Amino acid sequence: EVQLVESGGDLVQPGGSLRLSCAASAFTFSSYAMGWVRQAPGKGLEWVSGIGQSGGTTYYADSVKGRFTISRDNSKNTLHLQMNSLRAEDTAIYYCARVITYRSDYWGQGTLVTVSS
Amino acid sequence: DIQMTQSPSSLSASVGDRVTITCRASQSISTYLNWYQQKPGKAPKLLVYAASNLQSGVPSRFSGSGSGTDFTLTISSLQREDFATYYCQQSYDTLMYTFGQGTKLEIK
Repeated sequence: EVQLVESGGDLVQPGGSLRLSCAASAFTFSSYAMGWVRQAPGKGLEWVSGIGQSGGTTYYADSVKGRFTISRDNSKNTLHLQMNSLRAEDTAIYYCARVITYRSDYWGQGTLVTVSS
Repeated sequence: DIQMTQSPSSLSASVGDRVTITCRASQSISTYLNWYQQKPGKAPKLLVYAASNLQSGVPSRFSGSGSGTDFTLTISSLQREDFATYYCQQSYDTLMYTFGQGTKLEIK
């Protein structure tokens, strides 16, 4: 069965950095675009970033542009999100999601990022 | 960026009711519109894609319609397990698939 497992969430101080990972299994990872979606406590879903199958094309929400970098390692079936210059408003559960034909059909369970001093 | 606006933000209904949630896009998105259901503490679940296509395994009481800027998700006869938060999502913008603000469906 398709599985996406996020890791790397933690408590970090404002201005700090964190790298999230999403390990994929049971599908041909390199054939799918992927995305990161976050959800602040008690709030709605926010699409953060997307990446094409090869990793050659990347997209970012304005709220994270210039601070976050999405990448993928197709040899290791892993998606990453490098988060720099973290702010309190980045506090959220971060989900990775598989993209197939303009929709996200599989999601991970999420990893919690807390930005606080 | 394409903005998505859902209405209502919250809704109270009873088991057996017919419920409709509306989503409006800030520009035409053809039928690049998806609907998700999220329950507390869980990841979102895809219900409807491309405006009107039911994801595999989703009960037939769920249906979607619309094109251009106006879309609806309808639940024909609410079941207890349907009480959750629902989100629309546009997938017209390449890999920048923004969501509506959500509609919380509660038991009356």
